[in-house]
Amino acid sequence: AQSVTQLDSQVPVFEEAPVELRCNYSSSVSVYLFWYVQYPNQGLQLLLKYLSGSTLVKGINGFEAEFNKSQTSFHLRKPSVHISDTAEYFCAVSEKGYNKLIFGAGTRLAVHP
Amino acid sequence: ETGVTQSPTHLIKTRGQQVTLRCSSQSGHNTVSWYQQALGQGPQFIFQYYREEENGRGNFPPRFSGLQFPNYSSELNVNALELDDSALYLCASSSGGEDYGYTFGSGTRLTVV
Repeated sequence: AQSVTQLDSQVPVFEEAPVELRCNYSSSVSVYLFWYVQYPNQGLQLLLKYLSGSTLVKGINGFEAEFNKSQTSFHLRKPSVHISDTAEYFCAVSEKGYNKLIFGAGTRLAVHP
Repeated sequence: ETGVTQSPTHLIKTRGQQVTLRCSSQSGHNTVSWYQQALGQGPQFIFQYYREEENGRGNFPPRFSGLQFPNYSSELNVNALELDDSALYLCASSSGGEDYGYTFGSGTRLTVV
């Protein structure tokens, strides 16, 4: 069975500072990995996904993530955050060939001026 | 192209009642998944429908049931509502292809009192 652990429930950061949101996963099979963002009272928006190929994945809004198979991690990074990045971020995993997403508990990113 | 539309946006029901939530999938998408997101948690997979057939189910009791229609829209039905069913219910559609391009709706906020 797969599981996802988001290591930080909340991450406070000042505007224009860099940020890293950490995600570790557990699976006995090959997986696909995703990061979603959820703004208040809204659904989930895909930031980026890793299916195969380069382990460094670039997404929307300046976010990127790196897949590390040996450490079973998929950390999300942004070099300079904006106030508008304040939201809940979810890491998710899916077993290859099976369209079911397993989500972590989420990380609340709070960007302060 | 239109995105995923869910209705209603908010709903209040009494314990023991039944509820039906609706989802219109994105144009061109033939697969619909439903997720339950309790307050402060990540979404949990309920089930998925592909071409009107259930194609995977999470750890939810049989009182959670669904339908997919020929136009690929979908319903989630919950019988004998319990207080713990209070949550945001998210619908996601996809083309079922290997790009894992899920599009989420904004959700229905269900409150059981």
